[in-house]
Amino acid sequence: EDQVTQSPEALRLQEGESSSLNCSYTVSGLRGLFWYRQDPGKGPEFLFTLYSAGEEKEKERLKATLTKKESFLHITAPKPEDSATYLCAAITGTASKLTFGTGTRLQVTL
Amino acid sequence: EAGVTQSPTHLIKTRGQQATLRCSPISGHTSVYWYQQALGLGLQFLLWYDEGEERNRGNFPPRFSGRQFPNYSSELNVNALELEDSALYLCASSLGLAVETQYFGPGTRLLVL
Repeated sequence: EDQVTQSPEALRLQEGESSSLNCSYTVSGLRGLFWYRQDPGKGPEFLFTLYSAGEEKEKERLKATLTKKESFLHITAPKPEDSATYLCAAITGTASKLTFGTGTRLQVTL
Repeated sequence: EAGVTQSPTHLIKTRGQQATLRCSPISGHTSVYWYQQALGLGLQFLLWYDEGEERNRGNFPPRFSGRQFPNYSSELNVNALELEDSALYLCASSLGLAVETQYFGPGTRLLVL
């Protein structure tokens, strides 16, 4: 069965303190790895799609990378508005369903 | 461009009743997906509709069902509601290709009393 595991469950950073979130996956035939941001009570907001090992994508203070076993979301010099839950998800085969991890709750303080 | 819309935003039902949730995809998107996000749990895949057909189903009982209309909007029906059905129900849409990015709506919060 496909599994996506995220760590840590929660992370508290001070403004400007860079860090990385981890997403490890055990799936058969990864076809795409997705990162979303979710604010409390709202739907997930799309951030990045990665398709193959070695691929990297950047957007403002966020950078996503992909290896054969895991993905990292690097947050450089975070601001309080980056506080949210970050979700990673994988698509395998032709099923088109996203298998989600349980997320990392990020809190950035002044 | 308008995003995925869902209605209602909140729904309160009692155990045993039926709930109907609605979703309108992004214009041009033919695939609609439904996910359940229960408190403290991750998003769980429910259903995938494309071009009016059910293409895939998650590990949920048959009382969770739905349909997709000719204009690609979709409806999720939950029959014989149970307390544990209380959750945020999220709809997503995509262009319908197997690895296409799914864009989510704001969700419907269902509370079963």
